[in-house]
Parts: sequence; C-alpha cells; structure tokens
Amino acid sequence: GENVEQHPSTLSVQEGDSAVIKCTYSDSASNYFPWYKQELGKRPQLIIDIRSNVGEKKDQRIAVTLNKTAKHFSLHITETQPEDSAVYFCAARFAGYSTLTFGKGTMLLVSP
Amino acid sequence: GAVVSQHPSWVICKSGTSVKIECRSLDFQATTMFWYRQFPKQSLMLMATSNEGSKATYEQGVEKDKFLINHASLTLSTLTVTSAHPEDSSFYICSASPLPGTGSTGELFFGEGSRLTVL
Repeated sequence: GENVEQHPSTLSVQEGDSAVIKCTYSDSASNYFPWYKQELGKRPQLIIDIRSNVGEKKDQRIAVTLNKTAKHFSLHITETQPEDSAVYFCAARFAGYSTLTFGKGTMLLVSP
Repeated sequence: GAVVSQHPSWVICKSGTSVKIECRSLDFQATTMFWYRQFPKQSLMLMATSNEGSKATYEQGVEKDKFLINHASLTLSTLTVTSAHPEDSSFYICSASPLPGTGSTGELFFGEGSRLTVL
C-alpha cells in the first residue's frame, strides 16, 4: 500500500518568514495530493491540493509543488502569520475514489 | 463545499459500556465513508472503510467486533465502540466524498470529530 513520509515533525518560524513542509510517497500510481490544516480538537480542513498532471499550484500565500519523478511534494507558506500555527498533514491517494494515506503531520508554530 | 456532520462531538462513558457515533453527509450521497482514529499529537489512522449495503473493510489490527460499523444508507454511517475501555479513549473522525459522476472533485470531507473518554 501507499506510504507517506512527512518532514519536519515540528517547525518554528518568525512571523513573516516562509515555511516549507515536505512529503514523499511510495506508490507511483497515486494521483491526488491534498494538504490539510488541523487546529487542536478540530476537523482537518483542506487548504490546497494538487493532482499528478500539474507540477505546481498556488493560492495566495500557499503553494504546493509536485515532483512525480522523485515522488515528493511540498507545501510552501509565505509571509506566515500567527494564525497559521496548526498541524499540517500531507496525504496521497491512489487513483480512484479511495481513502487517503496521511503523513504523520507537522506542527507549525509561528511566533509574533 | 460538501458537509459531513458527526455526532456526538464528545462523549464520556464508563468502562464496559458501548458508544455509538454517527456520521452523516448532509448534502451529498456517499457509498463509502471512512473512519479514522487520532491519538493526541499523532496523525489520522484509518480504521475502516464503511460500505453502503455491505460489510465494512477493516484495516489490519482493528478489531471488527470491537468497532462495529453500519452503513445503512447513502448518507449515514455509524461506528459503535463496544465494551469500551480506557485505551479506547481517542478522537474519532469520519470522512466521505460525494459519489463519482456528481461533479465531485474527489475531495474528502471530514466530520467534526468525536472525542471519546472512557472512565
């Protein structure tokens, strides 16, 4: 089955700095890669996703890049703000409407 | 976007009792729903895949007699934790995607989660 590795497990940045979280996946047939933000005790919320036919996608301060050859994808947050502090999960899904395999998560702390 | 509702959001029960958690897709139909378990400061771990009208598919290491799943309709799946023990205390989250062919992008929508505490 699919295996997703995520790094780093914790990330501390100063407000205004950029943050990068990286994930690798094992199944080359995976074709959907979402990123979720989860605040303490709440449900994961989709913040951005990318499909395997695209190399990069951007939404305001958030961007995701995908390297299919290397089987890794990254989340980039620019101009970080304290409200960006949360746990971020990457995930990968095999072709079709099956479940997601999640990375272990990255706790992002943005200090004012 | 689509809405998945989960109930109850938190529950406290005595050891040995059973607890039922409901997961509803409010504005779409789903033949498949997923149940995850999340321990503090850890990732979401898939427990089982709930299939409408048929038996659930459990992940390795998850006791099907302990965690009963019923998917009686296209909008409702239930997870029952039977004979709960303190080690079953956790955050349980369900998720679902709208049916293929309905304009769905395949995005997975999550319920609010249910925090179970077994005393």
